[in-house]
Amino acid sequence: AQSVTQPDIHITVSEGASLELRCNYSYGATPYLFWYVQSPGQGLQLLLKYFSGDTLVQGIKGFEAEFKRSQSSFNLRKPSVHWSDAAEYFCAVKPNSGYALNFGKGTSLLVTP
Amino acid sequence: GAGVSQSPSNKVTEKGKDVELRCDPISGHTALYWYRQRLGQGLEFLIYFQGNSAPDKSGLPSDRFSAERTGESVSTLTIQRTQQEDSAVYLCASSPPGTSNTEAFFGQGTRLTVV
Repeated sequence: AQSVTQPDIHITVSEGASLELRCNYSYGATPYLFWYVQSPGQGLQLLLKYFSGDTLVQGIKGFEAEFKRSQSSFNLRKPSVHWSDAAEYFCAVKPNSGYALNFGKGTSLLVTP
Repeated sequence: GAGVSQSPSNKVTEKGKDVELRCDPISGHTALYWYRQRLGQGLEFLIYFQGNSAPDKSGLPSDRFSAERTGESVSTLTIQRTQQEDSAVYLCASSPPGTSNTEAFFGQGTRLTVV
């Protein structure tokens, strides 16, 4: 069955530390891949996306993600986290033969001083 | 408009009542999605509209849920005989035509509380 998995429900990092949020998918063919961020009281904002080509994609707010076909993963990274990065992060996948964006359950990021 | 607009932003209704949620997509966007987000959960796909094609209703959880969209304009999501488990944030998103069709832009959502 097609699925999107974000293994970490909560992650806590210190401000200035590096961050990696995991996302794994299970689809027959390489789908389109996205990361969205949802800040408290805000709508979802697209951080970055992967359709094809270079497997390391750069996004907004200093985020990047790497697509690894062999691991069916699309992990989100940031070298130095800021307190304003505290939010809920969602990995989303769209099969290239379907319509709907399928979302993972999200990872809640807490940033400590 | 500048972004996807949803109304109302908050709705409290009594169990058993019908509710109607509205979504105004970004002008020119041919695709429109509805999602449900329960507290602490991910986004659950409900329905997808693409232009004048038949909508993909595969995510609607029961026949109490329905949605309409006229052309490429406003969409309404209707929940009949609301139940407490319908309490959630209902998110609408739209996408432009063409190869970038897969990128969705989200509204702020409607928070529905069934009491």
